[in-house]
Amino acid sequence: AQSVTQLDSHVSVSEGTPVLLRCNYSSSYSPSLFWYVQHPNKGLQLLLKYTSAATLVKGINGFEAEFKKSETSFHLTKPSAHMSDAAEYFCVVSVRGGSQGNLIFGKGTKLSVKP
Amino acid sequence: DVKVTQSSRYLVKRTGEKVFLECVQDMDHENMFWYRQDPGLGLRLIYFSYDVKMKEKGDIPEGYSVSREKKERFSLILESASTNQTSMYLCASSFLRGGNNEQFFGPGTRLTVL
Repeated sequence: AQSVTQLDSHVSVSEGTPVLLRCNYSSSYSPSLFWYVQHPNKGLQLLLKYTSAATLVKGINGFEAEFKKSETSFHLTKPSAHMSDAAEYFCVVSVRGGSQGNLIFGKGTKLSVKP
Repeated sequence: DVKVTQSSRYLVKRTGEKVFLECVQDMDHENMFWYRQDPGLGLRLIYFSYDVKMKEKGDIPEGYSVSREKKERFSLILESASTNQTSMYLCASSFLRGGNNEQFFGPGTRLTVL
C-alpha cells in the first residue's frame, strides 16, 4: 500500500531564507510523486511532479524537489522564500495496482513567511 | 488552460436538507474526483468516476452519492445533510488513467451545515 507522511504541520521562515518542507513516502512500486500548493481560499495547484525521470525535479515559482529512493523521501526546497509563498503544501503519491489515477495526499504543511 | 469550476464558493444549509454540489471541467477529461478537506486531515477521497454513468467509492463515501450523466459534469449529493459534513469540498479532474497524471482542481465549495 502507498502512503505519504509530511513531517511538519507548520514551518515558519523569514523572507529571503531557504525553505525546506519534508515528505517521506511508502510504496511497493516505483512511485509517482507530486507537490501541490494551496493558497488561502483557493483550489490546489500543481508545483511539480516526479515520474521516474530525473531525480531532481524543478517546479514553478523556484521550487524543486529531490527524489531519494534510499531515504524514501521527496523533500521540497526553495533557496529564498518570498512572502507570496505563504500557503499550505501537500505531498502526494499516486496509487498503483488498484484504482489507477487516484492520489493519496499528505496532511499538509502550512508555510508562514515572516517579513 | 484547464478549467474546473464549482457551482458555489460558499453554501449554508440546514440539517436534513438535500444538497447538490456541481463540478464542470472543460478539458474533456475522463477522470473526475470529489474530495473533502478538513484541517489536519488533508484531502480525503469521497467518490470518483472514470467515465459517464460510472462511479466508484473512495475512502469516505458514507452519506454521499454522485452522478455523472455527462462527461464534463460530476455532481456530489448529500442526501440528508448533517453537521459533520461541514467541510471544504474540492472537485478535480485528470486525463486518462495512470498515477502520474496530475489532477486539476476547482476552487472549492465551503459548505456549512447548521
